[in-house]
Amino acid sequence: EADIYQTPRYLVIGTGKKITLECSQTMGHDKMYWYQQDPGMELHLIHYSYGVNSTEKGDLSSESTVSRIRTEHFPLTLESARPSHTSQYLCASSEWSKKETQYFGPGTRLLVL
Amino acid sequence: GESVGLHLPTLSVQEGDNSIINCAYSNSASDYFIWYKQESGKGPQFIIDIRSNMDKRQGQRVTVLLNKTVKHLSLQIAATQPGDSAVYFCAEYSGGGADGLTFGKGTHLIIQP
Repeated sequence: EADIYQTPRYLVIGTGKKITLECSQTMGHDKMYWYQQDPGMELHLIHYSYGVNSTEKGDLSSESTVSRIRTEHFPLTLESARPSHTSQYLCASSEWSKKETQYFGPGTRLLVL
Repeated sequence: GESVGLHLPTLSVQEGDNSIINCAYSNSASDYFIWYKQESGKGPQFIIDIRSNMDKRQGQRVTVLLNKTVKHLSLQIAATQPGDSAVYFCAEYSGGGADGLTFGKGTHLIIQP
């Protein structure tokens, strides 16, 4: 079982609100990722980080931003939520020496009204 | 663009039978493939992986087959159990800039009693 946690698990919020999705891992992994997944669909990489103070955009364009101030923590922020942001957001991490094996958190289901 | 896809969106099998889930990939540069299992409300869980220099790998009740000639990947689950009910994703890794995984659309495995 991977030690990677996400909060909240579910979030219903109104348009225009600022939200932060939390992700923490206790495995000491350098690399962390955020994926977006619509119901029944594949995962798309939206952000990743090589380590502290490193943040990069993924393959799918996203209006969200991320930060990596501590190794174990990789929060995702939406400054002004919109209904188009409704989705599931999955956080993952991997060891630097084995980047291809990624461990996923349980996800946050976001609904923007 | 390059993509990883699955042939069937839903697969229904009788409990106790063997299940075979298929995946076609198009990026010939991919050198590592992973099968993930995603249960309802949870993040993807690593099942088994295979490198491109192998054509078969076995785990506990699961076997992954890789045919590089036709760019085909399959997951075989022996003696399917109710707990196997989930969406199964294949993912490929090619070591590109983002080091993210490219996921297919997923196959929903339904177990009939």
